[in-house]
Amino acid sequence: DQQVKQNSPSLSVQEGRISILNCDYTNSMFDYFLWYKKYPAEGPTFLISISSIKDKNEDGRFTVFLNKSAKHLSLHIVPSQPGDSAVYFCAASRADGNKLVFGAGTILRVKS
Amino acid sequence: DVKVTQSSRYLVKRTGEKVFLECVQDMDHENMFWYRQDPGLGLRLIYFSYDVKMKEKGDIPEGYSVSREKKERFSLILESASTNQTSMYLCASSFPLGTGGETQYFGPGTRLLVL
Repeated sequence: DQQVKQNSPSLSVQEGRISILNCDYTNSMFDYFLWYKKYPAEGPTFLISISSIKDKNEDGRFTVFLNKSAKHLSLHIVPSQPGDSAVYFCAASRADGNKLVFGAGTILRVKS
Repeated sequence: DVKVTQSSRYLVKRTGEKVFLECVQDMDHENMFWYRQDPGLGLRLIYFSYDVKMKEKGDIPEGYSVSREKKERFSLILESASTNQTSMYLCASSFPLGTGGETQYFGPGTRLLVL
């Protein structure tokens, strides 16, 4: 039973345009959400996070939006750059646990 | 900077061999984790440890065991490697939840091939 779902296995975007990566979750006990970025042959690196008390968090070109009623979050990258090409994982955690639950990942390709 | 290192980047083992994967972190993190990453399945938690000598099963512990004798070191053991354990193995560490523990820091990964 996948509690965190990334339904798009891949996304292709032109350089300079917006990339939107989506994530849905089923567990209403999740209260903290993170995005990780992973290049081939490297470990995932933390990108941005959002607490359930917020609906938006911004860090430079990266913005995460949270819609709690829809149990949906999204990562916006504006403008997209070729170096953003990577696998992006959405993850969620509960207030009463130390574990993260990850989605399957979305491969982003930014074409120049 | 947080540094999480893994003992090997690539390993090739034969079916039935005992395999040790080691992970060391230098940030005095209480929590340490072992995941495997497979295409289309994302990162799945094998085991985690929240203190020395403490461990808890993750989502897919079958065929694996772990050891945490020192705070900075967390080992994953495949008692008898099988071909379905061919995967990328990722170690991570974090502070406890509520003290920044929501963010985990990952090592570079070990790509294991079992023949």
